[in-house]
Amino acid sequence: DTGVSQDPRHKITKRGQNVTFRCDPISEHNRLYWYRQTLGQGPEFLTYFQNEAQLEKSRLLSDRFSAERPKGSFSTLEIQRTEQGDSAMYLCASSSGGRDRNYEQYFGPGTRLTVT
Amino acid sequence: GQQVMQIPQYQHVQEGEDFTTYCNSSTTLSNIQWYKQRPGGHPVFLIQLVKSGEVKKQKRLTFQFGEAKKNSSLHITATQTTDVGTYFCAGHDYKLSFGAGTTVTVRA
Repeated sequence: DTGVSQDPRHKITKRGQNVTFRCDPISEHNRLYWYRQTLGQGPEFLTYFQNEAQLEKSRLLSDRFSAERPKGSFSTLEIQRTEQGDSAMYLCASSSGGRDRNYEQYFGPGTRLTVT
Repeated sequence: GQQVMQIPQYQHVQEGEDFTTYCNSSTTLSNIQWYKQRPGGHPVFLIQLVKSGEVKKQKRLTFQFGEAKKNSSLHITATQTTDVGTYFCAGHDYKLSFGAGTTVTVRA
């Protein structure tokens, strides 16, 4: 158990619907990441928070995607008007972080999204 | 942007044999991390390499960072069934840029 939790673990939705996922990181970690993973591929970076500030968004993250980390603790990832191409595993990870050092990332179990 | 390539994509190994998986980056990496993902699981951190030419060992696993900091390798000796999974290298610059991974299966 890495300590990062994600909810729900599975989500099946119809094309065009909105979905929201939640991630609870390890409590002392100030950095939180969202990745997307499809079958046979490595995780792809989507976005990154340091405390409550969203510092980077991948070009993969279209305007249908939005992420928040309102109090610097848990985070939500929302996908509006879902498309079949959004079907993937959405992984959340957290880490400590310093100015000049990068630490290992701890991944949650993921939310598997299926868009029908 | 940073691109990380891994070879081979699949590795079928007889139990007890050794194998190596390789990771190459299009750019110089400040550091590299290795993760293992078991079937149906999530990536789990194995190790981080920072220095040019660095070699680190974890039991039967040996990790190496190239002198130019553009490539890395993972060598596993005496493969066991517990080694099954996908091994990812990832360039680390606050965010991880993962390769596609090497998926390892073991024949008993």
